[in-house]
Amino acid sequence: DSGVTQTPKHLITATGQRVTLRCSPRSGDLSVYWYQQSLDQGLQFLIQYYNGEERAKGNILERFSAQQFPDLHSELNLSSLELGDSALYFCASSPHPGGASSYEQYFGPGTRLTVT
Amino acid sequence: KNQVEQSPQSLIILEGKNCTLQCNYTVSPFSNLRWYKQDTGRGPVSLTIMTFSENTKSNGRYTATLDADTKQSSLHITASQLSDSASYICVVSPSSGGYQKVTFGTGTKLQVIP
Repeated sequence: DSGVTQTPKHLITATGQRVTLRCSPRSGDLSVYWYQQSLDQGLQFLIQYYNGEERAKGNILERFSAQQFPDLHSELNLSSLELGDSALYFCASSPHPGGASSYEQYFGPGTRLTVT
Repeated sequence: KNQVEQSPQSLIILEGKNCTLQCNYTVSPFSNLRWYKQDTGRGPVSLTIMTFSENTKSNGRYTATLDADTKQSSLHITASQLSDSASYICVVSPSSGGYQKVTFGTGTKLQVIP
């Protein structure tokens, strides 16, 4: 158990809909990262927040947005869903702002999103 | 463009045997390299983190090596077990720039059979 929690575990929804994925980082960790992993694909970094502020942006679609709240939990909002958005979405946390530092990063169990 | 290439894409070995996974990268200048293990449908778990000044790091039966001159890293698994069946991902961080500069390999899928 990494200490990072994600809800829900599974989500099935229809095209065009909007969903919200939730992540609670490990106690004390200020950074939250979101990743997308499509079937048999590598991890794609989406976005990072550090202490409530957006810190780094990866390959995140305009239909997707995220935020980190004062209690440090984070939400990833996916809207106008398409079939291709079906994937595992992982959240990870670390105590550090990221970038070049040799920090440990802890991944949550993921949310499996199925768009039908 | 920074790249991380892993080989082989997939590998099947017998339980008890050793194996070596490769990671070649073009990220430069380079800060650190990480190996993760990802069980199917689960989140990745960190195995090793090496900075540019380290050339080997062990974690139990897992040993990672790094040659910063040739920009190559390998992950050696000793006396494999069925539970080693997973994908192994190499991740390279440059020495400057934000996290968006971190480059992920696509992974090697290892299957250990009895």
